[in-house]
Amino acid sequence: QKEVEQNSGPLSVPEGAIASLNCTYSDRGSQSFFWYRQYSGKSPELIMFIYSNGDKEDGRFTAQLNKASQYVSLLIRDSQPSDSATYLCAVNLSGGSYIPTFGRGTSLIVHP
Amino acid sequence: SQTIHQWPATLVQPVGSPLSLECTVEGTSNPNLYWYRQAAGRGLQLLFYSVGIGQISSEVPQNLSASRPQDRQFILSSKKLLLSDSGFYLCAWSVIGPGQGRTGELFFGEGSRLTVL
Repeated sequence: QKEVEQNSGPLSVPEGAIASLNCTYSDRGSQSFFWYRQYSGKSPELIMFIYSNGDKEDGRFTAQLNKASQYVSLLIRDSQPSDSATYLCAVNLSGGSYIPTFGRGTSLIVHP
Repeated sequence: SQTIHQWPATLVQPVGSPLSLECTVEGTSNPNLYWYRQAAGRGLQLLFYSVGIGQISSEVPQNLSASRPQDRQFILSSKKLLLSDSGFYLCAWSVIGPGQGRTGELFFGEGSRLTVL
């Protein structure tokens, strides 16, 4: 079964630090990779997507993709308490269905 | 701009009662539509997806059903709820296909929290 794995956490970092969230996937042919943020009791919202190996930066967020090692990560620089949420990794598996498979999410806590 | 609306936001239903959750999308045409369920402390489980009117694919055998009577309307139903149906139900839409410059980003509605007693 094709899977997407994330450490459930919680990952606790102090305000201003870099938070590093990791995700591995089993399907080597996966095409597209997404990070969603979900606040408690709310629906997920897309924050980053990446298709090519390497880094993609958007403000304080950087997505990193390494297809050879089958992992994708999200770095949050200058973490703020408002970044405290669950971060979901999603992967569009090979086969062209464009239906993402989600990991269970990593809980991030940024403490003042 | 595109928006997605989902209702009701919260409902408490007895075991054996029917269910109807509705989702509509505005500002886009022919979207892919999805129903996900998120149980407490669990990941997102894909229940149904639809690529067009009347076209429904089910991912998980269960007592739930979905319908798409109009291009931008997606309905999740059950004739008789089970305790295990409790959870946070999420409707989502996407525009897919490399020709459209998109490869499956999902945009979620506000969610419907269902408690079955």
